[in-house]
Amino acid sequence: EIVLTQSPGTLSLSPGERATLSCRASQSVSSSYLAWYQQKPGQAPRLLIYGASSRATGIPDRFSGSGSGTDFTLTISRLEPEDFAVYYCQQYGNSRTFGQGTKVEIK
Amino acid sequence: EVQVVESGGGLVQPGGSLRLSCAASGFTFSSYWMSWVRQAPGKGLEWVANIKQDGSEKYYVDSVKGRVTIYRDNAKNSLYLQMNSLRAEDTAVYYCVRDIFPYTYGAFHIWGQGTMVTVSS
Repeated sequence: EIVLTQSPGTLSLSPGERATLSCRASQSVSSSYLAWYQQKPGQAPRLLIYGASSRATGIPDRFSGSGSGTDFTLTISRLEPEDFAVYYCQQYGNSRTFGQGTKVEIK
Repeated sequence: EVQVVESGGGLVQPGGSLRLSCAASGFTFSSYWMSWVRQAPGKGLEWVANIKQDGSEKYYVDSVKGRVTIYRDNAKNSLYLQMNSLRAEDTAVYYCVRDIFPYTYGAFHIWGQGTMVTVSS
C-alpha cells in the first residue's frame, strides 16, 4: 500500500498570500496518478487537480499542481476567502489511498 | 445534470448489516468505474471499494475485505454497497463517487452528498 504523508498539518495564512502544500508518497506513484481535493465543512470533497498537474473542469487557475515520483505539491497562488478549507492528496496508480489532509486556515 | 445520490444509511447495531444505494443520472453509468469513499466523524477520507464498468473487477480496502461487497446494476444506473458484520469503526459518512473519465481508472470527479452510517448499540 502506498502511504501518502501531507505537510504541514495546518497552514495559517492571510487572504492574498501564497499557499504551498506538500504530499509525499512512500513509493513512486505510477504515471503521476496523483490528485488533489478540497473539502469544506459539511460538504463533499471537490476534485481540483488530477494527473499531478491538470486542473479539473471549472477550477480557477490560481490552483496548480506539480511533482512526480514521490513528491508532489499543490500551490494556491493567491488565497481567496473561499479557499480556506482542508486539502487532501490521493494516489490512484496502485489501488487508491488518501493523505491525512492539510487544513488551510485564516491567520 | 450529472449527479449521484446515496441512500440507505442509518443506525445499526454492531454485527448488523446495511445496504447502501447510489442512484446515478446525467451520464452513461455503464462507462465508468465507481467507488465508495468514507469519512469517519472529524477524520480524513478513506477509499473503501471500487468496481469496474461491467462489474468484472472489484477491489476493497483491507479493513472491509470479507465483510463488504460492492456491486452495480447498469440497467438501473445504480451502485450498491452491502455491509455485513458492521463494527463501530465503520461509522462514517459514505460517499458514492464516479471517476473522472469513462473507460479508464482515474481520479474521483463526481461525488454524492453522502449518507451517514452509525454503528452503535
